[in-house]
Amino acid sequence: EIVMTQSPATLSVSPGERATLSCRASQSVKSSLAWYQQKAGQAPRLLIYGASTRATGTPGRFSGSGSGTEFTLTIGSLQSEDFAVYYCQQYNSWPPPWTFGQGTKVEIK
Amino acid sequence: QVQLVESGGGLVKPGGSLRLSCAASGFTFSDHFMSWIRQAPGKGLEWVAYISRTGNSIYYADSVRGRFTISRDDAKNSLYLQMNSLRADDTAVYYCARGEGILSYWGQGTLVIVSS
Repeated sequence: EIVMTQSPATLSVSPGERATLSCRASQSVKSSLAWYQQKAGQAPRLLIYGASTRATGTPGRFSGSGSGTEFTLTIGSLQSEDFAVYYCQQYNSWPPPWTFGQGTKVEIK
Repeated sequence: QVQLVESGGGLVKPGGSLRLSCAASGFTFSDHFMSWIRQAPGKGLEWVAYISRTGNSIYYADSVRGRFTISRDDAKNSLYLQMNSLRADDTAVYYCARGEGILSYWGQGTLVIVSS
């Protein structure tokens, strides 16, 4: 099973600042990497897939990069609605399991 | 618009059973792969099960294999998760999601509590 490790666990950022979240895979997942946003009390929402492709409705301030084992989610200028938990997920494995990182909480500084 | 609505959660004793349902609308259900994902209270996300468009390809997480069964009824636009031999560590919010790998749409979840 591919293990996904996210860092940091918590990121304290002021509104308007840039946030950089990291995700590492225990083995190569090529570009089969997605990012999800989960706000308190809500279901996760797909933000990014294919490591860098924004899903429908994802604002342009969100960008993903990386391939292989190292990935980054960057939020260009944090808005109030961006404070949430972010999960990375690999879907390169076939057959499944498709595995998630433990999440990074982005909180207001 | 795409909607996924889970139901069937609740309180069940260890060793008991529960059947979750997910009603889909706003898209052609039979054209899509579907998955179940769960989230224990205060914890992260865990993929649970997957079913192909035809239902011929099904996979489970090791933690539920042999106890859970995923199925679909395209005539009813519905996805199901039959959960047997439930354990305390199955306590979680269960989400259905559209997709194979990339989980593009999620329901709001249904809470399953396994406790005596």
